[in-house]
Amino acid sequence: DAGITQSPRYKITETGRQVTLMCHQTWSHSYMFWYRQDLGHGLRLIYYSAAADITDKGEVPDGYVVSRSKTENFPLTLESATRSQTSVYFCASSEMYSNTEAFFGQGTRLTVV
Amino acid sequence: KQEVTQIPAALSVPEGENLVLNCSFTDSAIYNLQWFRQDPGKGLTSLLLIQSSQREQTSGRLNASLDKSSGRSTLYIAASQPGDSATYLCAVRISGTYKYIFGTGTRLKVLA
Repeated sequence: DAGITQSPRYKITETGRQVTLMCHQTWSHSYMFWYRQDLGHGLRLIYYSAAADITDKGEVPDGYVVSRSKTENFPLTLESATRSQTSVYFCASSEMYSNTEAFFGQGTRLTVV
Repeated sequence: KQEVTQIPAALSVPEGENLVLNCSFTDSAIYNLQWFRQDPGKGLTSLLLIQSSQREQTSGRLNASLDKSSGRSTLYIAASQPGDSATYLCAVRISGTYKYIFGTGTRLKVLA
């Protein structure tokens, strides 16, 4: 199916564990993004990527690592999960042109206990 | 630093009413502004995209306007329906980057 998919949809992990959230898009969009959504803060950009092997930090990158070896995949890794990283994580993609829409995945609800 | 504000934070209206949601941003150097809808527990669905050179966009009962010089956008919903109940988010794409900055949203409830 065409679109952008995130996995898992729900995840519970323990403090200190490493966890990876997956994001896959089928449009071959150049740009991909990771956001987290928290009550009172709205959506905040964690990392983004302009193309394979090109990534850059957003507003709240600390504690996260990303990679983009293939255009269609953009995994987000929490190296050592903390309770403050409990959130809903959204992946998005868009074409490289400035006047195009961004499309979002369904989100991953992560709980760190 | 770009900041995006949405007022009101929550709105409850009877079915059939026309309503306006507001979005303001502090820096007019934007490529575009996008309105999204988010249903509880779901992702974001794109509603309308307005490029910085445009004044408005329409899709069905939705009309979005953009006044870049004053840093404002409005989303007009005509003849509201209970199915319109959701959170509405606006986001601006900053010029010179591919980042989107989001507002915190307006939670809309349309009463039958």
